[in-house]
Amino acid sequence: NAGVTQTPKFRVLKTGQSMTLLCAQDMNHEYMYWYRQDPGMGLRLIHYSVGEGTTAKGEVPDGYNVSRLKKQNFLLGLESAAPSQTSVYFCASISSGTEGANTEAFFGQGTRLTVV
Amino acid sequence: GQNIDQPTEMTATEGAIVQINCTYQTSGFNGLFWYQQHAGEAPTFLSYNVLDGLEEKGRFSSFLSRSKGYSYLLLKELQMKDSASYLCAVRAASGGSYIPTFGRGTSLIVHP
Repeated sequence: NAGVTQTPKFRVLKTGQSMTLLCAQDMNHEYMYWYRQDPGMGLRLIHYSVGEGTTAKGEVPDGYNVSRLKKQNFLLGLESAAPSQTSVYFCASISSGTEGANTEAFFGQGTRLTVV
Repeated sequence: GQNIDQPTEMTATEGAIVQINCTYQTSGFNGLFWYQQHAGEAPTFLSYNVLDGLEEKGRFSSFLSRSKGYSYLLLKELQMKDSASYLCAVRAASGGSYIPTFGRGTSLIVHP
């Protein structure tokens, strides 16, 4: 049972380069999220998806794009990387469940991205 | 929007009890979660509260007061391995979907 898998785990980019982070989950969850985590800032929501083919902006969406072409995959793209995007990126998935139900978030192992 | 506050850092002694507080302001409240995150690792689920009161799970307990916008995580019989960051997260309903928002985390250091 793999849960949530992120690739790659580490990456160094030069300013202006592009890359795509892949998140894959095998739990048939409806909701998927991309967060970034910076020292002292906690987890901040970049984009999220409530189902296949749908995406929405979170708290810090600028400089990122996402796609959810398949239910199990949620891709995060950086079109032109900047040093301010140096961070640890976490993907999470949640079952839709019923209102009030315990629907904990399952996280991937994280991607440590450095933009130089 | 949502505002979630928790202390930045706490220290405690092995074997002791520690309480980590979390206050929040949100609309569409639909549950409060606590996660544990060890350095360099992903957050992992600890507890969930949606109704007022105390939820107990082994050495960990979590309390919620919705009217006060307040929760705490209680860790008993502290062990060295409990040194980690503890994240308070509030789930709110927004346009038919549920968005978890995280606090900045409380770094707990357990001393021998």
